[in-house]
Amino acid sequence: EIVMTQSPATLSVSPGERAALSCRASQSVSSNLAWYQQKPGQAPRLLIYGASTRATGIPARFSGSGSGTEFTLTISSLQSEDFAVYYCQQYNNWPPITFGQGTRLEIK
Amino acid sequence: QLQLQESGPGLVKPSETLSLTCTVSGDSISSSTYFWGWIRQPPGKGLEWIGSIYYSGTTYYNPSLRSRVTISVDTSKNQFSLKLSSVTAADTAFYYCARHRMAIPDYWGQGTLVTVSS
Repeated sequence: EIVMTQSPATLSVSPGERAALSCRASQSVSSNLAWYQQKPGQAPRLLIYGASTRATGIPARFSGSGSGTEFTLTISSLQSEDFAVYYCQQYNNWPPITFGQGTRLEIK
Repeated sequence: QLQLQESGPGLVKPSETLSLTCTVSGDSISSSTYFWGWIRQPPGKGLEWIGSIYYSGTTYYNPSLRSRVTISVDTSKNQFSLKLSSVTAADTAFYYCARHRMAIPDYWGQGTLVTVSS
């Protein structure tokens, strides 16, 4: 099973600033990496797949990069609605699909 | 517009079987493009993939749960279901059904909380 590790656990950023969230895989997942956003009381929402392709309707301020074992989700200019928990997920070697433990993005 | 809705008991006794159904609207579960699956999340914790099914009945399960999980599909009702046997308190979680594009859950239901308690 591929283990996904996200850092930091919590990230404090001011609105309008840039946020960079990291995800590391225990072995290469090529570009088979997705990112999700989850707000309190809601289901996760797909943001990015293929490491860098935005899902339908996702604003351009969200971008993904990386391949192999190191990945980054960047939010270029934080809006109030972006403060949430973010998860990465690999789908290179499955089953099982595996998720990281999440990064909580909070207002500074 | 695609919608997925979970339904089933919110309280299950230890050692019994948890049963949930996901009703899909706005898309056909018989589409050859997608899998349909389940993911759970203990309150305040992270996400765990349970398994998925193709309309033909082909299933994929998380090895950690394989011995206790059955996912089935009813194309006539546009539904798929989850059964998890021999539950314990550790199975208390929000259970989400989701459409999977390949192995990417791209549309999720709102989730349902299942509590295991006597």
